[in-house]
Amino acid sequence: DAKTTQPNSMESNEEEPVHLPCNHSTISGTDYIHWYRQLPSQGPEYVIHGLTSNVNNRMASLAIAEDRKSSTLILHRATLRDAAVYYCILRISGNTPLVFGKGTRLSVIA
Amino acid sequence: GAGVSQSPSNKVTEKGKDVELRCDPISGHTALYWYRQSLGQGLEFLIYFQGNSAPDKSGLPSDRFSAERTGGSVSTLTIQRTQQEDSAVYLCASRQWGGLQTQYFGPGTRLLVL
Repeated sequence: DAKTTQPNSMESNEEEPVHLPCNHSTISGTDYIHWYRQLPSQGPEYVIHGLTSNVNNRMASLAIAEDRKSSTLILHRATLRDAAVYYCILRISGNTPLVFGKGTRLSVIA
Repeated sequence: GAGVSQSPSNKVTEKGKDVELRCDPISGHTALYWYRQSLGQGLEFLIYFQGNSAPDKSGLPSDRFSAERTGGSVSTLTIQRTQQEDSAVYLCASRQWGGLQTQYFGPGTRLLVL
């Protein structure tokens, strides 16, 4: 799987939007962009995924650059419960295991 | 519905002992994955099952590690002759075949080898 680069940590105030960036300059045309997050003392959980178009779901939005070399996970209103490590992962197919990098540790300040 | 469950939630063992970790996937999920997360490390893949067969065992760190899956459901990860470096959180995930590519993770088993 292609490599992704994320900032080690970010901080946000509660109730404000958060933009979590991910660079994946070596992405191939068949790589899907997945985001998972891991809350403290829990297993990772799926957040969102996309291929080329921007995606929205109840948890977040995913904005994908036109050249697909970067993407941004958007939390529209951060809450304390959103404090977690966020992982950006590229995958070719659903069968392959997830390859986790270091992720971005998001802190939310009340 | 019920999610992925793992047992035990915590396990403390002595160096050299064998341990068995259990994973109950979501009902109907044919794909099952084992990962581990060591303190301060990222999550690393161990083994993947499709049904009862394991097409990808590439992540198992040594021959002390083995896993099986029976009836296309429950899986057991066995670590023989445990070492202190085996201390980690062992996570299981399952996925529905042909469905959304999402993997659903269990809460993990925290293993401490003294």
